[in-house]
Amino acid sequence: AQSVTQLGSHVSVSEGALVLLRCNYSSSVPPYLFWYVQYPNQGLQLLLKYTSAATLVKGINGFEAEFKKSETSFHLTKPSAHMSDAAEYFCAVKKGGSYIPTFGRGTSLIVHP
Amino acid sequence: NAGVTQTPKFQVLKTGQSMTLQCAQDMNHNSMYWYRQDPGMGLRLIYYSASEGTTDKGEVPNGYNVSRLNKREFSLRLESAAPSQTSVYFCASNGDQETQYFGPGTRLLVL
Repeated sequence: AQSVTQLGSHVSVSEGALVLLRCNYSSSVPPYLFWYVQYPNQGLQLLLKYTSAATLVKGINGFEAEFKKSETSFHLTKPSAHMSDAAEYFCAVKKGGSYIPTFGRGTSLIVHP
Repeated sequence: NAGVTQTPKFQVLKTGQSMTLQCAQDMNHNSMYWYRQDPGMGLRLIYYSASEGTTDKGEVPNGYNVSRLNKREFSLRLESAAPSQTSVYFCASNGDQETQYFGPGTRLLVL
């Protein structure tokens, strides 16, 4: 069975600081990997995804993530946080051929002025 | 394209009442899903439909039923609501390269 671990239910950064949200997964085969963002009172929307092309994936709003197979990690980064980045972030994994994705429990990003 | 739409946006029920949450997508996707979101629990899959005419249980199906009415629509029914079903419910459909597209959610309070 797949599992996704997001380290830290809350991450707090200052505006302009580096954002690092951690995600580790367990999967017997290379999966599809995703980061979704949820703004208050909204549904989730795709931030970026890894689908076995480039290991460094660029997404919307300046976010990027690197797939590291040896570490089974897919951490999300952004060089400089903005107040508008405050949201809940979910890492997800899905094996090819499976209908069911597995989501992490989410990390709430708090951005201080 | 409207994407994934859900109705209603908010609902308050009394224990034992029934209701149906509606979901529709206009992206011609085959697979559709119902999740619930509770604080600290992330997203938990209730039911999914891999294609029109099929439905399968997810992680937390007890107390729920679903109907895949056609390719566009996938409804979730609570036959006898309980306070434990107070949650935010999201419908999603599966698009290109396994990306999930989510609706705006239904906030349900069961008293």
